[in-house]
Amino acid sequence: DARVTQTPRHKVTEMGQEVTMRCQPILGHNTVFWYRQTMMQGLELLAYFRNRAPLDDSGMPKDRFSAEMPDATLATLKIQPSEPRDSAVYFCASGLGRQETQYFGPGTRLLVL
Amino acid sequence: GIQVEQSPPDLILQEGANSTLRCNFSDSVNNLQWFHQNPWGQLINLFYIPSGTKQNGRLSATTVATERYSLLYISSSQTTDSGVYFCAVVPLYNQGGKLIFGQGTELSVKP
Repeated sequence: DARVTQTPRHKVTEMGQEVTMRCQPILGHNTVFWYRQTMMQGLELLAYFRNRAPLDDSGMPKDRFSAEMPDATLATLKIQPSEPRDSAVYFCASGLGRQETQYFGPGTRLLVL
Repeated sequence: GIQVEQSPPDLILQEGANSTLRCNFSDSVNNLQWFHQNPWGQLINLFYIPSGTKQNGRLSATTVATERYSLLYISSSQTTDSGVYFCAVVPLYNQGGKLIFGQGTELSVKP
């Protein structure tokens, strides 16, 4: 049963610290998305990659967020420095293209104090 | 940009009842998905349905792309159906596949 995996599942940190979230997409999927869910904004896209190349990161605060795909089996999302307003659930999703189903990981629940 | 509106925002049902959730979108799409977010926060794929009708057990969905809406039917609801149901679309003009989510319908099924 192929699934998207994410680590860590929960993270509590203090303001100013670096946070790294990791995602392993479903093997063979060429598109990876990072979404964020908050009570105020709902679910919104931060960035996505196709064939490991970043295609759109317009949803990310550029000064503190960065997203990379070092290889086809790993996507990372970093926040440095973290702020309390970054507290949210961060989801990774993978798929085979824009007209295909996107499968979501379990999410990383981040709390920045 | 495209607007995705779901209704109703909240719904309370007795176990065994049927329900219909609606998703309206303001522009043409080439991808539409329904998700169930369970009380533990997991987003579970229900349907990929940019057009037509699909059924999976007690759940079925219909999308009428020309009229820009989709419906999710839940029959004989169970307490495990509780959670938030999201509709999400990829606009036709979006080349990348970015899903735009509605605000969700929060369903509570009482025993």
